[in-house]
Amino acid sequence: ETGVTQTPRHLVMGMTNKKSLKCEQHLGHNAMYWYKQSAKKPLELMFVYNLKEQTENNSVPSRFSPECPNSSHLFLHLHTLQPEDSALYLCASSQENTDSNQPQHFGDGTRLSIL
Amino acid sequence: AQTVTQSQPEMSVQEAETVTLSCTYDTSENNYYLFWYKQPPSRQMILVIRQEAYKQQNATENRFSVNFQKAAKSFSLKISDSQLGDTAMYFCAFMANTGNQFYFGTGTSLTVIP
Repeated sequence: ETGVTQTPRHLVMGMTNKKSLKCEQHLGHNAMYWYKQSAKKPLELMFVYNLKEQTENNSVPSRFSPECPNSSHLFLHLHTLQPEDSALYLCASSQENTDSNQPQHFGDGTRLSIL
Repeated sequence: AQTVTQSQPEMSVQEAETVTLSCTYDTSENNYYLFWYKQPPSRQMILVIRQEAYKQQNATENRFSVNFQKAAKSFSLKISDSQLGDTAMYFCAFMANTGNQFYFGTGTSLTVIP
């Protein structure tokens, strides 16, 4: 496989469930990202893992919990979500360095629906 | 399948000059939206401009305008009177009208030179 792969593609869950989104990149990149794309809002950056360090958007609720066990895998753990959390969740990766911005490669996303 | 291609990984422009970032896409959909996002060093994505495919008129937002060529599947972004604050990564994106498909290009890193 190549590129950035996200699973599952679609997820329907109740507000009391616990689930995880998975992202895997086969590009040898050292940075991975979680974004949220809601129906009527611009794309929102949620978390960044760069060289194992986590940077997060302080507005992201604690019911979203990221995990980056290694440079190729990124998880987003979900628990007690709210209906407004229904959205498309996109993962991306890039090869970061201190000199310049590098291209980001996006996965196809996970469409999450909260009942 | 939809794909979004940005063929310019890096570009630079002198302050106050005009620069055009290119984007092409491939789709079998007839109704869709196109976006340009700006990502400054803070990493947060900022929506710059949006175009509905059914509108023939090119979208404009202050110094930002697009050249939307539906038949050619081209969606370029023109930045006029470039400012130092325009230095950022710029992403072109496609969304089908159903909202179930959202695809990004890999980005163009723009540097505005004083």
